[in-house]
Amino acid sequence: SQQGEEDPQALSIQEGENATMNCSYKTSINNLQWYRQNSGRGLVHLILIRSNEREKHSGRLRVTLDTSKKSSSLLITASRAADTASYFCATDLQGGSEKLVFGKGTKLTVNP
Amino acid sequence: DSGVTQTPKHLITATGQRVTLRCSPRSGDLSVYWYQQSLDQGLQFLIQYYNGEERAKGNILERFSAQQFPDLHSELNLSSLELGDSALYFCASSVGGRVGHNEQFFGPGTRLTVL
Repeated sequence: SQQGEEDPQALSIQEGENATMNCSYKTSINNLQWYRQNSGRGLVHLILIRSNEREKHSGRLRVTLDTSKKSSSLLITASRAADTASYFCATDLQGGSEKLVFGKGTKLTVNP
Repeated sequence: DSGVTQTPKHLITATGQRVTLRCSPRSGDLSVYWYQQSLDQGLQFLIQYYNGEERAKGNILERFSAQQFPDLHSELNLSSLELGDSALYFCASSVGGRVGHNEQFFGPGTRLTVL
């Protein structure tokens, strides 16, 4: 089963609005990463947040991590049509086999 | 462009056949990862190699095998192909070997269609 579950599965917004995607996971992690995938293409790394960090920023991206709730959120501010993509969280399990476990993703559509 | 190259881009073959997918990591990256992405299973980690040695294994079928060569390129071999093996296969690379501690750079993928 998937470790990370993104919510919502799909999100449609207007250009200029903010988009928030959530990721929940089941077991303790070392780190959590967010990736973006344009349709049928390779994933692009967005941000890595360590388990001892609570918030991280990169340009228009803001990621939060709440280890007590086993959840993370990705906020994209002032969205653009070019942000249209699927967004995945990936977790690195604590004490588990060394692999990144990806969620099924949130499909974001930004309408011009 | 991530710097990771994969060939071929598309592959169409028949059930029972064997294919080889090739990946060249970014210059300087020692780790190579293979993933399978399908609509029903999502993105599944298959296997990781670090500097020529197998480092971690995921949901890789016994019909599948991989290796990493001295020049660090990697090949994923899929044999006795079944319809359900149709998917996008991605290769990714990273500098270090510790999964989750390094960002992974993904190639453009190979789309495999088994008829």
